[in-house]
Amino acid sequence: DVKVTQSSRYLVKRTGEKVFLECVQDMDHENMFWYRQDPGLGLRLIYFSYDVKMKEKGDIPEGYSVSREKKERFSLILESASTNQTSMYLCASSRGGQETQYFGPGTRLLVL
Amino acid sequence: GEDVEQSLFLSVREGDSSVINCTYTDSSSTYLYWYKQEPGAGLQLLTYIFSNMDMKQDQRLTVLLNKKDKHLSLRIADTQTGDSAIYFCAETLTGTASKLTFGTGTRLQVTL
Repeated sequence: DVKVTQSSRYLVKRTGEKVFLECVQDMDHENMFWYRQDPGLGLRLIYFSYDVKMKEKGDIPEGYSVSREKKERFSLILESASTNQTSMYLCASSRGGQETQYFGPGTRLLVL
Repeated sequence: GEDVEQSLFLSVREGDSSVINCTYTDSSSTYLYWYKQEPGAGLQLLTYIFSNMDMKQDQRLTVLLNKKDKHLSLRIADTQTGDSAIYFCAETLTGTASKLTFGTGTRLQVTL
């Protein structure tokens, strides 16, 4: 079974803090993705990566950055958290050349 | 452009069939997916259909694709309370190498 894990299920941070969300997959997948999920908006792609040290912007990259130093780990960074980044963050991975994505359980982030 | 639309809410009685609909605008879709999200959890892949197919059946689930109208539906037979969740359709496009575009999600409520 594919397993995608996220470092925290719930996180509370203050405005201006630097926030790290970690995602790890154990299936040697090449592709990894970060989404945010908001009511009525579905999932929106923030950043994705097709390989180690490689990243590409998704649809809403503003205010976020990512890091992929190892194949199994993809980190989402909020350099200076703002209240409009309060959301559910979902990580996913897929095998190279295949579209089926497998999701982690999500991190619900509250920025006060 | 990419746009995937779903109605936000559906209520059905236990034992009835549920039909969740999805429309998309880009005709270059290759695969179309249905994901299920239970409360507080990540997304779980339910089923998918390749764009050259009209129908796919998997136990209680039937996926219908009308490529001419760009309409996708998921039928759940004999709906159970455990089917209560948010259902997302998603498409992947030719040449986008594993990127998915998600609909807004349909919340299915199953009543007794």
